[in-house]
Amino acid sequence: GQNIDQPTEMTATEGAIVQINCTYQTSGFNGLFWYQQHAGEAPTFLSYNVLDGLEEKGRFSSFLSRSKGYSYLLLKELQMKDSASYLCVPMDSNYQLIWGAGTKLIIKP
Amino acid sequence: GAVVSQHPSRVICKSGTSVKIECRSLDFQATTMFWYRQFPKQSLMLMATSNEGSKATYEQGVEKDKFLINHASLTLSTLTVTSAHPEDSSFYICSASLGATSYGYTFGSGTRLTVV
Repeated sequence: GQNIDQPTEMTATEGAIVQINCTYQTSGFNGLFWYQQHAGEAPTFLSYNVLDGLEEKGRFSSFLSRSKGYSYLLLKELQMKDSASYLCVPMDSNYQLIWGAGTKLIIKP
Repeated sequence: GAVVSQHPSRVICKSGTSVKIECRSLDFQATTMFWYRQFPKQSLMLMATSNEGSKATYEQGVEKDKFLINHASLTLSTLTVTSAHPEDSSFYICSASLGATSYGYTFGSGTRLTVV
């Protein structure tokens, strides 16, 4: 089957760094997205990885290891507005997005 | 950047009535749009894939006669929830591909449907 494993919830402090880990199993693989979703809102695109390695984009970085079925999202210089759910979304061989419940990140002052 | 406009953002309707949700791609053409439903604290669930000029492809367990999808143009897809019941109350979200996979999928702002 296809599944995604992320922590249900994480807590971090404003200004700090947090890493959200994700392991996945899919039928084939065509890349992995990270999305941010604030409560009551639609997801917004953060990053896309298709090759192994680190992609950096401002305060956010995403890493992928295809052989391990592993990805992480690294958030630096945390701000209160970063409190949201973060969704690790792999794409299978049919280009279908596989959605899990994500990780709810709580930022404390 | 590319934007997907979805409305209404919130709607309350009575049981047995129908509700139409519109999803428009602004500044780009979307040959394919996707309709999702999300219940509180759960993951997004793909309901159907909407293709311009052809019938939508529904996911298993989604009633095509209850959730009518029309994609008559490259910039507009609509989802009509027919004969709504309280259990249809949910957050409905549309999305569109921007072409290149690396651009991801852009989402509409979502519609909170409450059936009373």
